[in-house]
Amino acid sequence: DAGITQSPRHKVTETGTPVTLRCHQTENHRYMYWYRQDPGHGLRLIHYSYGVKDTDKGEVSDGYSVSRSKTEDFLLTLESATSSQTSVYFCAISRQGDLSNNGYTFGSGTRLTVV
Amino acid sequence: TQLLEQSPQFLSIQEGENLTVYCNSSSVFSSLQWYRQEPGEGPVLLVTVVTGGEVKKLKRLTFQFGDARKDSSLHITAAQPGDTGLYLCAGVRSNTGKLIFGQGTTLQVKP
Repeated sequence: DAGITQSPRHKVTETGTPVTLRCHQTENHRYMYWYRQDPGHGLRLIHYSYGVKDTDKGEVSDGYSVSRSKTEDFLLTLESATSSQTSVYFCAISRQGDLSNNGYTFGSGTRLTVV
Repeated sequence: TQLLEQSPQFLSIQEGENLTVYCNSSSVFSSLQWYRQEPGEGPVLLVTVVTGGEVKKLKRLTFQFGDARKDSSLHITAAQPGDTGLYLCAGVRSNTGKLIFGQGTTLQVKP
């Protein structure tokens, strides 16, 4: 959707190789999130950021790292891809941490296949 | 263990029928959100409910937050093929402020 873009949209990579996914926003939102979506599991939080250089782990962070050097960009890195990391990855943004009246805006996703 | 359980996981109905999707938990949430996702796209927020017992309507969709803020339901009246998609509930944990998603309900409405 307008305001948040993910790249690439599709990627096939080999086991053991590093992979970086990019999330770019033009909304100047403070909070950014990386989720993975797998059948039967819904969306699970990998890492999130609450400001430039401020990041924290989510519920499924093992094997992933993130970086946020600018407000608009949030990078997700798989240091050494494994087949269990085959998934659809979504980036999301929110204006503030209090979600009582604000939802997340999601990107269109990156489909990653590790062979 | 899924913190938020949605049921049913799959639903296939005819156009014009009514349906209800449930989202249940043993945990209390400060608010609960419903999203709709179409193939190849990210989820899109439909509604946020905040107060226990709250009911919100969005055209033919009615959302309710349980009195104890542990569960929610989505009711669709006279479903249409355009309602087809994946419906996700997500609760905001009071202690972390983070969204926890249910596993989703795939709805197919046949003409």
